Amino acid sequence: IAGITQAPTSQILAAGRRMTLRCTQDMRHNAMYWYRQDLGLGLRLIHYSNTAGTTGKGEVPDGYSVSRANTDDFPLTLASAVPSQTSVYFCASRVTSGYNEQFFGPGTRLTVL
Amino acid sequence: EDQVTQSPEALRLQEGESSSLNCSYTVSGLRGLFWYRQDPGKGPEFLFTLYSAGEEKEKERLKATLTKKESFLHITAPKPEDSATYLCAVQATGANNLFFGTGTRLTVIP
Repeated sequence: IAGITQAPTSQILAAGRRMTLRCTQDMRHNAMYWYRQDLGLGLRLIHYSNTAGTTGKGEVPDGYSVSRANTDDFPLTLASAVPSQTSVYFCASRVTSGYNEQFFGPGTRLTVL
Repeated sequence: EDQVTQSPEALRLQEGESSSLNCSYTVSGLRGLFWYRQDPGKGPEFLFTLYSAGEEKEKERLKATLTKKESFLHITAPKPEDSATYLCAVQATGANNLFFGTGTRLTVIP
């Protein structure tokens, strides 16, 4: 693989269920990000990680948690899903020195009923 | 507070009809302004980074420019394959995350 992969591609989930969205990158980028994209609101940052072992909160962190056990993987967990978490979720990564652009994965479309 | 406003929300062009998309921004200190292209059902695809006022970058039919308050994405003689949503984002000095606008949905009609 080359770039960022996300799984699943799409998911329908009952409210109250726990769900983990997976993100893996093979570019050895040290920083990784999770965004959600909603119509009319654009991309909003949920959580980020500047390097393995560290994480931080973004603009809309409530109801989500992340972990960064290694450089390549950055899973996003919804502990107890609610309908307002229905969205398209994008994972991104970048090198934090020199080039600043973020590279995005293909997204996960999540519907919470 | 960082703010990014893109206009217009949607734009329909005839093939070959040149136009510009606008991105107005407010940020405490600009580290970089980014343009992305997003096709339906896909993740954003990086186009350009601009770092300082007066800077310009080109790629095929696209040219991005930057002033102290706004950026323009100029599309010259567009083709139907240029149809997409174009996103603008800013990175503030000292921050490592991007703050996005809501995008301009471009449709190029053959």
